[in-house]
Amino acid sequence: DGGITQSPKYLFRKEGQNVTLSCEQNLNHDAMYWYRQDPGQGLRLIYYSQIVNDFQKGDIAEGYSVSREKKESFPLTVTSAQKNPTAFYLCASSIVGSLTYGYTFGSGTRLTVV
Amino acid sequence: RKEVEQDPGPFNVPEGATVAFNCTYSNSASQSFFWYRQDCRKEPKLLMSVYSSGNEDGRFTAQLNRASQYISLLIRDSKLSDSATYLCVVNDLTGGYQKVTFGTGTKLQVIP
Repeated sequence: DGGITQSPKYLFRKEGQNVTLSCEQNLNHDAMYWYRQDPGQGLRLIYYSQIVNDFQKGDIAEGYSVSREKKESFPLTVTSAQKNPTAFYLCASSIVGSLTYGYTFGSGTRLTVV
Repeated sequence: RKEVEQDPGPFNVPEGATVAFNCTYSNSASQSFFWYRQDCRKEPKLLMSVYSSGNEDGRFTAQLNRASQYISLLIRDSKLSDSATYLCVVNDLTGGYQKVTFGTGTKLQVIP
């Protein structure tokens, strides 16, 4: 079955460490996205990519980095520069240029700074 | 004004009740609209698209009012399993790039 896989489900990070969240999809979608969700708040866009080897900053890109070397994969690195990284991180994908379909989301990674 | 605005709730309703949520959007050129459902500590899942003519899926009805720039979701005969947060999503295609804006969600609690 096609879908998006995020790993790990739970991640604990010490202050000052970089961590990388994995996102893989087999839906053949061109576009991939990273969102952050804080308790009681909406989704905020961190980065997005519409094509391999290209990505754009979203609304809250500071302290994060991404790469898009393969169509299927869009890993997110949370760097030590991100001052408040504890949150629920969601990866999504969609068909580029089509507004008919919405996003497909992964099951998320819950990151906690310890 | 927020791009997409929803009443956060919570809406506490008894089983069997009919409940309606509204969502307003600020960009009159927005092109497509969706309702997503998000269970506690889970990812959002697409509930239904919203079409200009309105659309129905079982107990759920979604409508779009372009003149007043809002979409609505009506749930009839509420079930306990409908308890969740409902996210309004607005989709624009600007300069070839898709921009998706999420509302902060409306929390529904169906009580026995």
